Amino acid sequence: EPEVTQTPSHQVTQMGQEVILRCVPISNHLYFYWYRQILGQKVEFLVSFYNNEISEKSEIFDDQFSVERPDGSNFTLKIRSTKLEDSAMYFCASSEVIRMDEQYFGPGTRLTVT
Amino acid sequence: AQKITQTQPGMFVQEKEAVTLDCTYDTSDQSYGLFWYKQPSSGEMIFLIYQGSYDEQNATEGRYSLNFQKARKSANLVISASQLGDSAMYFCAMSFFDRGSTLGRLYFGRGTQLTVWP
Repeated sequence: EPEVTQTPSHQVTQMGQEVILRCVPISNHLYFYWYRQILGQKVEFLVSFYNNEISEKSEIFDDQFSVERPDGSNFTLKIRSTKLEDSAMYFCASSEVIRMDEQYFGPGTRLTVT
Repeated sequence: AQKITQTQPGMFVQEKEAVTLDCTYDTSDQSYGLFWYKQPSSGEMIFLIYQGSYDEQNATEGRYSLNFQKARKSANLVISASQLGDSAMYFCAMSFFDRGSTLGRLYFGRGTQLTVWP
């Protein structure tokens, strides 16, 4: 069964460093999303991406964040200068075009900023 | 703003019993979808079930069913014949179809921690 994959599973970084979280969405999906979940809290939307551009972004997704689809398979989230409060689980998700009955999530990357 | 409410921070059920996890939502939109996800302690998000706002039948997927009451704006998850492996956090979420660039974005509730005991 096709699945969304994410690397790394856990990343530890120092405050102020740049991190890139990687995702490989399901191959025939064209909508991509990033969500985050701070420990013990609810899942929050960061950004959606379609047709090589951002469709929507939340207020969390400020200038420190960027997304990119550098090739036909990867979808990345970059945090330019990490802060302690960026520590969270980051989930990538993908869905088929115009099909809203399922969004497939990856296993997540746990980011720890020290 | 869209709002999803899960009023039960924790629920306990004995193995093989049924359990209902509550979810209410607040929206003035007519076209939307409701989702339930399971998050075990390992952290991944597992899709369980979907209900469209125009679907007249309640959705079912194996032991999971969604008790959709549109007028009351509730979308409760029913798990029949609970198993020990059902112990996890359960999130209710919704998305909107006819919203242009917001197509597909999920809004999540705070979750309910379900514990199944033998």
